[in-house]
Amino acid sequence: DVKVTQSSRYLVKRTGEKVFLECVQDMDHENMFWYRQDPGLGLRLIYFSYDVKMKEKGDIPEGYSVSREKKERFSLILESASTNQTSMYLCASSHLSPGQGARQPQHFGDGTRLSIL
Amino acid sequence: AQTVTQSQPEMSVQEAETVTLSCTYDTSESDYYLFWYKQPPSRQMILVIRQEAYKQQNATENRFSVNFQKAAKSFSLKISDSQLGDAAMYFCAYRSTNTGNQFYFGTGTSLTVIP
Repeated sequence: DVKVTQSSRYLVKRTGEKVFLECVQDMDHENMFWYRQDPGLGLRLIYFSYDVKMKEKGDIPEGYSVSREKKERFSLILESASTNQTSMYLCASSHLSPGQGARQPQHFGDGTRLSIL
Repeated sequence: AQTVTQSQPEMSVQEAETVTLSCTYDTSESDYYLFWYKQPPSRQMILVIRQEAYKQQNATENRFSVNFQKAAKSFSLKISDSQLGDAAMYFCAYRSTNTGNQFYFGTGTSLTVIP
């Protein structure tokens, strides 16, 4: 089975801190994603990456950056945490599209519930 | 960007009954995939069922089936013989075949199963 592992289930940080959320997958997936999940808003894409050192902005990239130095690892960075970044963060991975790769689903980690005080 | 709409924020069903969750999407493409995901409380999001747009036959996985209406751009999920373990958030998602590195999700439907 595909395993997507997020480094923390729960995290509490202070306003202004630099925060790192780590994600590792073990299925050699090309794509990796970071989402933010808030009640009533569903999943909103922050950033995704389709290859090492490659990244694409999603719908809400402001206040975030990402790093992908190795294929299996995708990090989300909150440069200066703010209270409006309190949320559930989900990491996911998938095979590359187009063609048959598109039929493969995303696989998700357990999520990190981040609180910024 | 494609949009995916789930118009039912919350649904409830009696145990052993059948419930249908709605999903519509907007796209100009003809070739794509649709997914339903389940997220139980405090647990990992998992795939429930998948539908290829080029297939007319509706996908089925045990008690879960879809009603895929391509012309209407509708993709509903039917859960038969509902069980307590079906209680979860359900998300509908779209992925293009040709430009499909990105998945587009609806806002989710919270399903309660009443004993």
